[in-house]
Amino acid sequence: KAGVTQTPRYLIKTRGQQVTLSCSPISGHRSVSWYQQTPGQGLQFLFEYFSETQRNKGNFPGRFSGRQFSNSRSEMNVSTLELGDSALYLCASSFPRTGDNYNEQFFGPGTRLTVL
Amino acid sequence: KQEVTQIPAALSVPEGENLVLNCSFTDSAIYNLQWFRQDPGKGLTSLLLIQSSQREQTSGRLNASLDKSSGRSTLYIAASQPGDSATYLCAVFTNSGGSNYKLTFGKGTLLTVNP
Repeated sequence: KAGVTQTPRYLIKTRGQQVTLSCSPISGHRSVSWYQQTPGQGLQFLFEYFSETQRNKGNFPGRFSGRQFSNSRSEMNVSTLELGDSALYLCASSFPRTGDNYNEQFFGPGTRLTVL
Repeated sequence: KQEVTQIPAALSVPEGENLVLNCSFTDSAIYNLQWFRQDPGKGLTSLLLIQSSQREQTSGRLNASLDKSSGRSTLYIAASQPGDSATYLCAVFTNSGGSNYKLTFGKGTLLTVNP
């Protein structure tokens, strides 16, 4: 079974530009979450999508947005890039939680974004 | 607000040694706890998942324990090998209100196993 895939793996942008990152979850997984990882802040939750709806959102500005398609693939968009947006962006997929069964999160390899 | 702390931040051991990594969290109302491994520049590999009703999980040379009431988890690695060198991250799955479920991560422990 293929794992979580993310494209592109590396991206270089300049300040003010916008960027779109893509995540394909493990087959059958319907929940996709996005995280930002930086040396200073560590891993921080951005948002979660399930059934094409944003279910949870972290404390990030509105420049960070996302969406999920009917096949569960997800995209994340960052507009008006700032130097501080340079980070490793990770997505994770899981089966949707049912009752008290909170499921294991599986992560992709990440997209390394550098903003110059 | 949930906070996760991992001690030590870095650890260097000789090959073959047994070791323990520590994780503590401030809010005991967690649904599960997951240990991950991250190699430099790579994504996260899930090692062990402990549901809130469980006390421990084992996989090969790895054993993770969970004490919800004290807000602590440990990851025990037996007979360490140079290939175990990586950053180990602990994360708790919680609900901070409404439908706001998410993983909160510690900063990790950088483990180096010397041949």
